[in-house]
Amino acid sequence: NAGVTQTPKFQVLKTGQSMTLQCAQDMNHNSMYWYRQDPGMGLRLIYYSASEGTTDKGEVPNGYNVSRLNKREFSLRLESAAPSQTSVYFCASRDSFNQPQHFGDGTRLSIL
Amino acid sequence: QKEVEQNSGPLSVPEGAIASLNCTYSDRVSQSFFWYRQYSGKSPELIMSIYSNGDKEDGRFTAQLNKASQYVSLLIRDSQPSDSATYLCAVISSEGKLTFGQGTILTVHP
Repeated sequence: NAGVTQTPKFQVLKTGQSMTLQCAQDMNHNSMYWYRQDPGMGLRLIYYSASEGTTDKGEVPNGYNVSRLNKREFSLRLESAAPSQTSVYFCASRDSFNQPQHFGDGTRLSIL
Repeated sequence: QKEVEQNSGPLSVPEGAIASLNCTYSDRVSQSFFWYRQYSGKSPELIMSIYSNGDKEDGRFTAQLNKASQYVSLLIRDSQPSDSATYLCAVISSEGKLTFGQGTILTVHP
């Protein structure tokens, strides 16, 4: 029972490099989310996809792009990584309006 | 006013005591409320969901919801050192937006 799977688990990049974080869920959920979590900042929503074929900005979208490839997969791309994007990134999914989100294990990203 | 507010703590309780974690929210017509536990270096894990006023019990955990006062709480009975973690309150607003609080750090000392 995999739930939400994120790859990679760890990554180190140099400033200016690009990178795509992958997320896949096997729970047939409609909505998917990307968060970043920094010390003392809580979870901040980057982008979300309410359903297959739609994406919307969250509270901190600058420097990121997303693709909802199909119902299962939702990727997050950093086109030109910056040290300020060093963070732990979580993908989450949920089924419907009043249901909780379920999280992947996270990707720990360091940008030098 | 933040949409979901929690005391950041840290909250320190002795082993065996009751830990009480509180959360207030601003959207009066919010419908769904959740508590997540996050161990250091791990992802948030759902531990309780509550949708109606009153108490909901699951093992050592009790969630309490008071919509009139716009607060939701989590009680952990017989606290164990393994309960030491950050506890996140999450609320779904009337528009379906799920918002997390900043989290309360709980430390249970032997």
